[in-house]
Amino acid sequence: DTAVSQTPKYLVTQMGNDKSIKCEQNLGHDTMYWYKQDSKKFLKIMFSYNNKELIINETVPNRFSPKSPDKAHLNLHINSLELGDSAVYFCASSHRTSGRTDTQYFGPGTRLTVL
Amino acid sequence: EDKVVQSPLSLVVHEGDTVTLNCSYEVTNFRSLLWYKQEKKAPTFLFMLTSSGIEKKSGRLSSILDKKELSSILNITATQTGDSAIYLCAVPRAGNNRKLIWGLGTSLAVNP
Repeated sequence: DTAVSQTPKYLVTQMGNDKSIKCEQNLGHDTMYWYKQDSKKFLKIMFSYNNKELIINETVPNRFSPKSPDKAHLNLHINSLELGDSAVYFCASSHRTSGRTDTQYFGPGTRLTVL
Repeated sequence: EDKVVQSPLSLVVHEGDTVTLNCSYEVTNFRSLLWYKQEKKAPTFLFMLTSSGIEKKSGRLSSILDKKELSSILNITATQTGDSAIYLCAVPRAGNNRKLIWGLGTSLAVNP
């Protein structure tokens, strides 16, 4: 199936731990994004990469570090997890050179719970 | 500051009703407006609108853009319980980074 996929789907961990979330897309897109959606359901952009280059870097604690090994993958590493990091994290992708450059396609989300 | 405002924030209707959701925007160098539907999981793409006055349609859902009024509406006719979801509107900010400015969404509940 052509899609945006994320692993893991659920992540439960203790405060202070370090964790990673992985994202892969096989849509041939060149731009990928990380969003955080909190309990109020507002989608907040965190980072975006275009062809492995960081193009959006919002005001996010530096405990969050994205990494894009190639244009089909974008991972998110979080150090020293805090209670407030509990949220659903969505990966998305888009294609800058297609007719629908603004349309982003979302992965299924990773529900992170920090205890 | 660029912003996207959706109304109403929530709506409860009965099956068979027709609903109209609104999205207004103030974004420099407007290029397009997108509608998404979010049920329990990820937002799924519905429509992208770029031209004023041209309706996009998919089954019982339709949307139209009014560039003069800086707004768009999403219509759902003959609603079904499966239409219950949060409907999100987004507009890309000017520039090359493709950042979307998101509204807070309209939470629609369709009761049987």
